[in-house]
Amino acid sequence: QVQLQESGPGLVKPSGTLSLTCAVSGGSISSSDWWSWVRQPPGKGLEWIGEIYHSGNTNYIPSLKSRITISVDKSKNQFSLELSSMTAADTAVYYCARAVYSSGQCRFDPWGQGILVTVSS
Amino acid sequence: SYELTQPPSVSVSPGQTARITCSGDALPSKYASWYQQRSGQAPVLLIYEDTKRPSGIPERFSGSSSGTMATLTISGAQVEDEADYYCYSTDSSASQRVFGGGTKLTVL
Repeated sequence: QVQLQESGPGLVKPSGTLSLTCAVSGGSISSSDWWSWVRQPPGKGLEWIGEIYHSGNTNYIPSLKSRITISVDKSKNQFSLELSSMTAADTAVYYCARAVYSSGQCRFDPWGQGILVTVSS
Repeated sequence: SYELTQPPSVSVSPGQTARITCSGDALPSKYASWYQQRSGQAPVLLIYEDTKRPSGIPERFSGSSSGTMATLTISGAQVEDEADYYCYSTDSSASQRVFGGGTKLTVL
C-alpha cells in the first residue's frame, strides 16, 4: 500500500525558507491522485495548505499563495513544499498526504508521520 | 471564509454511543470526510463521502449527513477511541478546503 514519508529540517530561522520533501512508496506519484500538504500548529487543528498533480498543476490556500511553492519530481517519486518568509506563526507539524478524488470530493489517505518545523533564531 | 463547526469536546462512558457533529453551509451539496488523530500521531481516514468506511476501519465507526450537518457516530465507544476527530469538506465552489476545528473525544 502507499506510504508517505516527510523529510527536511526541523528548525528554520525567521524570514528563512522551509523546504520539505515527501517520498512516496508503494505506488506511483503519476497515478490519478493529487498530493497534498497539511499543517497543524502545536495544540491546534489541521489546515490544508496546498496540493499538486503529477502534471505540475497546483492549488494553494489563498492566505499562503505569495509564499508557497509545491513541486513534483516524478523521477524520484516525491513531491516537495517550499514556504518562504517564515515566521513563528508557521511553526507547525507538516504532514504530506495523498488526496484521493471521487464523486467530486477528496479525502486524505494515507498521511505521512509528520515533521515538526520550528521557526526560531 | 468558509467554516466547519465542531463541538470542542464530547465525553462518553465505555460502551456508549458517541456522536460528533460537523456543521457547514455547503454540506447539503458537498461530501464530508472524517479523521481520527490519536495523541502524537498522524490523522487516519475514518469516513469519506459522508458514509463510506475504508477497509480496515472498525464497523463501530459510521457517518451520516442531513442538511447542513454531518455526523460521525461511534457505536460502543472504546477507551482506545479517545482521540481528536476532524471533519473535512469544501465550500460550494470547492475553492476553500477546510477542516473543522476538531473534537476531543473522552471515553471514561
